[in-house]
Amino acid sequence: GENVEQHPSTLSVQEGDSAVIKCTYSDSASNYFPWYKQELGKRPQLIIDIRSNVGEKKDQRIAVTLNKTAKHFSLHITETQPEDSAVYFCAASIIPQGAQKLVFGQGTRLTINP
Amino acid sequence: DSGVTQTPKHLITATGQRVTLRCSPRSGDLSVYWYQQSLDQGLQFLIQYYNGEERAKGNILERFSAQQFPDLHSELNLSSLELGDSALYFCASSGTVSSYNSPLHFGNGTRLTVT
Repeated sequence: GENVEQHPSTLSVQEGDSAVIKCTYSDSASNYFPWYKQELGKRPQLIIDIRSNVGEKKDQRIAVTLNKTAKHFSLHITETQPEDSAVYFCAASIIPQGAQKLVFGQGTRLTINP
Repeated sequence: DSGVTQTPKHLITATGQRVTLRCSPRSGDLSVYWYQQSLDQGLQFLIQYYNGEERAKGNILERFSAQQFPDLHSELNLSSLELGDSALYFCASSGTVSSYNSPLHFGNGTRLTVT
């Protein structure tokens, strides 16, 4: 089945620096790749997503890149701020028989140091 | 607010017991998904329903079952509870069977503690 590997598991950066989180997926049929941010004790919230027909997508300080050949996608956060501290999850979607199964990576705990 | 409502917020019960978690999807969403998140762990996909029918299954234990009702709300039933079942259970909803054009929106979760 689909497997999503996420690295690093923890990441600490200085405020204002950039942060990069990387994910790889195993099923070449995957075609949808969302990223979720989860603050402590709260629900995961979608922050950005990318579909397999594009290679990059940006939304203000957040960008996601996709390399379908390598089955690899990454989240880039620039000019990090303290409120960016959270756990970030990548996910990959496979569509078995018309259904949907979103498989998540293990998460990256991002800490922004002031 | 995501529009997905989960009840109860917290649940404390003993081993061997049975509990029911409830989820109401966002207005208009037809798909409901259940995920389990253990302490400091990722999100484990349990099961998905679309318009009342089971559409995808993950690593859901045989002691667990779910259903989606005609009004589209869903219930996750957990029986013969074990200490290891203690976790945060999230429900999510989306508009279509495939998430390709419809991202998942999560509820606030039900925290289950088995003692």
